[in-house]
Amino acid sequence: DGGITQSPKYLFRKEGQNVTLSCEQNLNHDAMYWYRQDPGQGLRLIYYSQIVNDFQKGDIAEGYSVSREKKESFPLTVTSAQKNPTAFYLCASSNIGRADTGAFFGQGTRLTVV
Amino acid sequence: GQNIDQPTEMTATEGAIVQINCTYQTSGFNGLFWYQQHAGEAPTFLSYNVLDGLEEKGRFSSFLSRSKGYSYLLLKELQMKDSASYLCAVRFSRGSQGNLIFGKGTKLSVKP
Repeated sequence: DGGITQSPKYLFRKEGQNVTLSCEQNLNHDAMYWYRQDPGQGLRLIYYSQIVNDFQKGDIAEGYSVSREKKESFPLTVTSAQKNPTAFYLCASSNIGRADTGAFFGQGTRLTVV
Repeated sequence: GQNIDQPTEMTATEGAIVQINCTYQTSGFNGLFWYQQHAGEAPTFLSYNVLDGLEEKGRFSSFLSRSKGYSYLLLKELQMKDSASYLCAVRFSRGSQGNLIFGKGTKLSVKP
C-alpha cells in the first residue's frame, strides 16, 4: 500500500542535542513538507521541497534543517539552535499535478526535550 | 499576511447538524481544503473547493465563496466519532506551486 511513514512516533532528546526525524513516502509525490503543531497554534510550515535537491524555508525555519537527496525521503533535523523544539511534527507530501487532493500526512512524531 | 480564521471550539449534539466557518484573505487564493484530525493523529483529507458553491460528500459538505473569502464545512447526522479538530487550509499561489496555510483548527465535541 502507498503511504507516507514517519519515524519514530515518540522521541526524547536532551537539551543541546541535534535530532533527525525521518519521513519516507512511496506515493511518487514530487512535493514534501514539514509542519509543526503546537496546542492552539494549528499547523505551521517549517520547510518544503518540490523537487529533489531543492527545498525552501517555510514560516518557522529557524533552528531546523532538511535535505532532499531522494524523491522518497525528506528528513528534518531539529538543531540545538531551535529554542522550543518540543512539539508534534507532521510530514506531508502532495502530487503537484493533482491540485484537488491536497497533502497526505504521515502519523507524526512527538518530540519532547528533556 | 495570510490569516485564516475559524472558531476555536464548538459543541453539538449527536444526530444534529453543525456548521464550521472559515474566513481567509482573498489575495492569491488557489484552493481550499478541509481536514479532520483526531487527537494525536495525522490530519485526513475531507474536501476541496476551488470554485464557488457547495461540494457534497456523504454526511459532509463544504461551501466556498471566493469573493467573500469564506468557506464552511457542514456535518450532518453527527456521530460521536465526529468529535475531532477540523482544519481549514488554503492554498495561496506562490511561484509555480502554492503551499497550504492552515488555520488553527476548530475542536468539535459531539455530546450524546
